[in-house]
Amino acid sequence: AQKVTQAQTEISVVEKEDVTLDCVYETRDTTYYLFWYKQPPSGELVFLIRRNSFDEQNEISGRYSWNFQKSTSSFNFTITASQVVDSAVYFCALSEVGGGGADGLTFGKGTHLIIQP
Amino acid sequence: KAGVTQTPRYLIKTRGQQVTLSCSPISGHRSVSWYQQTPGQGLQFLFEYFSETQRNKGNFPGRFSGRQFSNSRSEMNVSTLELGDSALYLCASSLASSGFDGYTFGSGTRLTVV
Repeated sequence: AQKVTQAQTEISVVEKEDVTLDCVYETRDTTYYLFWYKQPPSGELVFLIRRNSFDEQNEISGRYSWNFQKSTSSFNFTITASQVVDSAVYFCALSEVGGGGADGLTFGKGTHLIIQP
Repeated sequence: KAGVTQTPRYLIKTRGQQVTLSCSPISGHRSVSWYQQTPGQGLQFLFEYFSETQRNKGNFPGRFSGRQFSNSRSEMNVSTLELGDSALYLCASSLASSGFDGYTFGSGTRLTVV
């Protein structure tokens, strides 16, 4: 069965520092999707990125960047020059294609990111 | 366009009662998935509906059920509520089944069982 591990339960940094959130996944499928979501205190999960298993290109979107490495089964997320508004819980998730997504999204336990002013 | 709408936002129920939660997906989205979020277990997949048919189901007891209507709106029902059912219930919609095009989540319904 698939599994997503976010080893960092909580990270606290001072504003403008760079921060990397780690995500390690396990799957037996060769075709799968990886996601990152942000959950602010309001509760809604906000979609950040989706990456399929055949696309190992790193991606940058403004202050956000993602590093996908199949060799280490990792999909890490970096925020550059962090801001207080980045404070939230961040979830990494996996969806297997081969199983028809039978288990929906498998989420990690989340990393609570605190950006101090 | 309007996002995913979940009603109600908050709910307090007594143990043993039943509850129905509602989710209206983004217009044009035919897939609706439900997730339970608790501090202990995190986010767990409940089930997915696509074109009024349940496509997938997570590892939850039969007390948890759902349905989807022809307009893609979905309802989730929990019967014989237990204290452990207290959670944030999130609904997600997507164009395709199993959400490979990406899931959009609602703000959730926070259920408290007393």
